[in-house]
Amino acid sequence: EDKVVQSPLSLVVHEGDTVTLNCSYEVTNFRSLLWYKQEKKAPTFLFMLTSSGIEKKSGRLSSILDKKELFSILNITATQTGDSAVYLCAVGPRQGGSEKLVFGKGTKLTVNP
Amino acid sequence: ETGVTQTPRHLVMGMTNKKSLKCEQHLGHNAMYWYKQSAKKPLELMFVYSLEERVENNSVPSRFSPECPNSSHLFLHLHTLQPEDSALYLCASSQATGGGHYGYTFGSGTRLTVV
Repeated sequence: EDKVVQSPLSLVVHEGDTVTLNCSYEVTNFRSLLWYKQEKKAPTFLFMLTSSGIEKKSGRLSSILDKKELFSILNITATQTGDSAVYLCAVGPRQGGSEKLVFGKGTKLTVNP
Repeated sequence: ETGVTQTPRHLVMGMTNKKSLKCEQHLGHNAMYWYKQSAKKPLELMFVYSLEERVENNSVPSRFSPECPNSSHLFLHLHTLQPEDSALYLCASSQATGGGHYGYTFGSGTRLTVV
């Protein structure tokens, strides 16, 4: 059964800290790993990773995938209160026309001023 | 707005009621999904309509019934629900190519409470 495990489940930091969120997975026929940020309701897309060792970067956020060890990390530097959210990791198996994603439980990040 | 619109935003229903959730996407995507998000659980896939193929998770009870009249609209019909069905129901869409897709765009969800 496909599985995605995120750690930690929750994290409280102060503004300016750097955080690393972890995502490990077991999935048959891996195709892609995605990170989403969920603040209130709609998760919003952050990154899609398909190749090992290539860092994706967007402002203070960056992510990298290790397909050999089956994990990904999401880094946030110089955190701000607006980074407070649940960060979701999802893995997309390679399957015909049915593009299902398997999600982890998420990491709830709280950034205090 | 993300391009995926869900209505209603909130719904309270009794166990004997029948209601429907609606999702509409304006992104030209060809795949749409229903996910259930319960407290302290991962997002659970309920149904997929992709490239005109319907795929469902066999663990979804028959009191949930999806309908996808075209590639832009998706419904989830609800009847005789249980209190444990209370959750956030998220609709998503993506552009599926048969060999993969490019990530979902989610709607804001419907917060359902069954009393």
